[in-house]
Amino acid sequence: QKEVEQNSGPLSVPEGAIASLNCTYSDRGSQSFFWYRQYSGKSPELIMSIYSNGDKEDGRFTAQLNKASQYVSLLIRDSQPSDSATYLCAVFDGTASKLTFGTGTRLQVTL
Amino acid sequence: GAVVSQHPSRVICKSGTSVKIECRSLDFQATTMFWYRQFPKQSLMLMATSNEGSKATYEQGVEKDKFLINHASLTLSTLTVTSAHPEDSSFYICSARDFRLTGAFLTDTQYFGPGTRLTVL
Repeated sequence: QKEVEQNSGPLSVPEGAIASLNCTYSDRGSQSFFWYRQYSGKSPELIMSIYSNGDKEDGRFTAQLNKASQYVSLLIRDSQPSDSATYLCAVFDGTASKLTFGTGTRLQVTL
Repeated sequence: GAVVSQHPSRVICKSGTSVKIECRSLDFQATTMFWYRQFPKQSLMLMATSNEGSKATYEQGVEKDKFLINHASLTLSTLTVTSAHPEDSSFYICSARDFRLTGAFLTDTQYFGPGTRLTVL
């Protein structure tokens, strides 16, 4: 069973701080990794995709991938209350041709 | 990013009726779409993979005769909940797989529709 692990949280950070969200995965052969944001009652929204080791930046978001450690993270700089949501880590299972999702980390950005 | 629509966004029906939900990729072609279900405060649960022109692949424990999936074109997949009962009340979300060459890179990304909230009375 291929697994994606996330801390369920809630992760509470003050406004303006950096939020760090972490994810580990079990399938060493995985090549594609994604972060989705899901607000309560809404569907997931793609924030970042990353395929190569290292960092990938997009605005206030940075995804970090370390395939040797089977670890992917998402950093949110200058966190805003509107960033409060559940963040889902997803890993593409090439064998089954589908995404495996973590259970999500709930982020709370406090004023 | 690519856009996926779902219709209807919300439906209330009586027990025993069938409900059809449509999922469309608006600005790309999707040979593969996925159907998920999510109960309140729970994780996404993949129900089935919908492949254009062929039968859907259902996850273990999902009744294929109850949840009928049709993927008749490269931009449309439908999920029909047959003989719906109150326990089928949930948030149903589709996603579409966008597989494209962007410059020198091949990207394979799933985009989600806005979801359909089904309430069965």
